[in-house]
Amino acid sequence: GESVGLHLPTLSVQEGDNSIINCAYSNSASDYFIWYKQESGKGPQFIIDIRSNMDKRQGQRVTVLLNKTVKHLSLQIAATQPGDSAVYFCAENILPVLGGKLIFGQGTELSVKP
Amino acid sequence: EPEVTQTPSHQVTQMGQEVILRCVPISNHLYFYWYRQILGQKVEFLVSFYNNEISEKSEIFDDQFSVERPDGSNFTLKIRSTKLEDSAMYFCASSEIGGSEKLFFGSGTQLSVL
Repeated sequence: GESVGLHLPTLSVQEGDNSIINCAYSNSASDYFIWYKQESGKGPQFIIDIRSNMDKRQGQRVTVLLNKTVKHLSLQIAATQPGDSAVYFCAENILPVLGGKLIFGQGTELSVKP
Repeated sequence: EPEVTQTPSHQVTQMGQEVILRCVPISNHLYFYWYRQILGQKVEFLVSFYNNEISEKSEIFDDQFSVERPDGSNFTLKIRSTKLEDSAMYFCASSEIGGSEKLFFGSGTQLSVL
């Protein structure tokens, strides 16, 4: 069925280290994936997205990797900073369905230790 | 930077009462959404709205829910007769194009039904 799940509910890293947050999805028809960051008391904030015709996409300090063979998505954060502490959600959608139905995963809480 | 604004930030209501949650999407966006997040759970899709009509809705969005764009700037979610299980953080979002691409979320309205 349609579901997006995260392997780890919490992740603790040292400031300056790289962070890797994982996500598994089960809908093989999903072709658009997004990572959101949610800080306490705020709404989800767009980080980076990737379409299924790509394996990797890089942003500023972030990289998203997509492995369609095993239906796995990961978010890599380079040189993690205290400001990166938040809950990270992956989400999927099936394009080109209009309407905006994103399916969110459970979330991973990233904690950055100074 | 343009942002989605939501009011109120907190809403407390008695079971059975009607509530209206308000949102001002980003001005040049055409697609509007409501999502909700029950404490400790995933962000869940409720409804999407485009061209003055609902594009897609979830099973959660039953007859007790309605959305409206009463003017050129506001987008509202009405819950006609609130239930205890409606207690959640409600997020409004908007995007320039459909298909959930790059949704921008507001900070949410925390609804507490007593």
